[in-house]
Order: sequence, then C-alpha cells, then structure tokens
Amino acid sequence: DGGITQSPKYLFRKEGQNVTLSCEQNLNHDAMYWYRQDPGQGLRLIYYSQIVNDFQKGDIAEGYSVSREKKESFPLTVTSAQKNPTAFYLCASSIGPYTGELFFGEGSRLTVL
Amino acid sequence: GEDVEQSLFLSVREGDSSVINCTYTDSSSTYLYWYKQEPGAGLQLLTYIFSNMDMKQDQRLTVLLNKKDKHLSLRIADTQTGDSAIYFCAESEAGNAGNMLTFGGGTRLMVKP
Repeated sequence: DGGITQSPKYLFRKEGQNVTLSCEQNLNHDAMYWYRQDPGQGLRLIYYSQIVNDFQKGDIAEGYSVSREKKESFPLTVTSAQKNPTAFYLCASSIGPYTGELFFGEGSRLTVL
Repeated sequence: GEDVEQSLFLSVREGDSSVINCTYTDSSSTYLYWYKQEPGAGLQLLTYIFSNMDMKQDQRLTVLLNKKDKHLSLRIADTQTGDSAIYFCAESEAGNAGNMLTFGGGTRLMVKP
C-alpha cells in the first residue's frame, strides 16, 4: 500500500541534542512538507520541498533543517537552536504544488527532557 | 497575513447533526478544505470546495460556503462515535501556491453515545 511513513513515533531528547525525524513516501509525490502541531493551534509549516534537491523555509524554520536528496525521503533535524522543540511533528506530501490535497504520515511526538 | 479561525470544541449526541464553523480572512482564497485528525494520527482530507461553489455534498458531509462573509461550515449528518476527532479547515490559493495551506486551530468534536 502507498503511503507516508514517519519514524520514530515517540522520541525523547535531552536539551542540547540534535534529533532527526524520518519521513519516507512511496506515493511518487513531488512535494513534501513538515508541519509542527501544538495543542489548540493549527498546523504551522516548518519547511517544504516542491521537488527533489530543492527546499524552502516555511513560517517557523528557525532551529530546524531538512534535506531532499531523494524523491522519497525528506528528513527533518531538530537542532539544539530550537528553543521549544517539544511538539507533534507531521510530515506530508502532495502530487505537486498546485493542489491542497495533502497526504499525512502518522506523526512523531518529540519530548525534550 | 491570512488567518483562519475555528471554535475549539463541539459536543453532540450520537445521531444528531454536527456543524463545525470556520472563518477566514484571505479574499483570494480559491480552495477551502476540511481535514480530519483522529487521536495520535495524521490528518486525512475529508472534502474540499472551490470558491465559486456555495455548497458541496458528499454522503453524510455537507460543506457550505458564504464567500461574502468568508464563512465555511461542515455539517455531518447522523453523527457517529467514530466521527469523534479534530476537524481542521484550511484555505489556499490556486496555481503554484495551491499547496500552501493556512490551517485553522482545529475543532475537537466529541460525540456522546
């Protein structure tokens, strides 16, 4: 079955550590996204990539980094520069830049201890 | 910038109709979406409406759009306990910005048996 796989589902990190969240899709989609979700707030866009080997900052990119070396993969690194990293992180993909039909993974919950 | 507002919480009894409301500010919005998020999971697209439409019906779901008032609603007929989830509305423009969604904060729907 086609879909988006995020891992790990739960992750604990000590302050000062970088962590990388994995996102893989087998939908053959060009565009991929990372969103952050906090309780009672909408989804906020961290980074997006419209095509392989290219990515753009979203609304809250500070303290995060991404790469898009393969069409299927869009990993997100939460660096120690991110001041409040505890959140639920959602990866998504879409066929291209002209549709708002996004397909989401199951999410990764990061807790900083 | 764009803003999308939703009430935080709605409680209904099983079998009743649910109406979830959303207001948006961007008059250039072309597509409006409703996404559903079940506990601990990613979002799933439920339905969408193009801005030149007033209404769209899909089985138990009815979307109403009042473009003059920038008001969008989602009606769920015969609400079931399985409909308990968070519902997000989102808006986007057409063309190459079609995948740049602005999400509301989400409405948590609780269905009581």
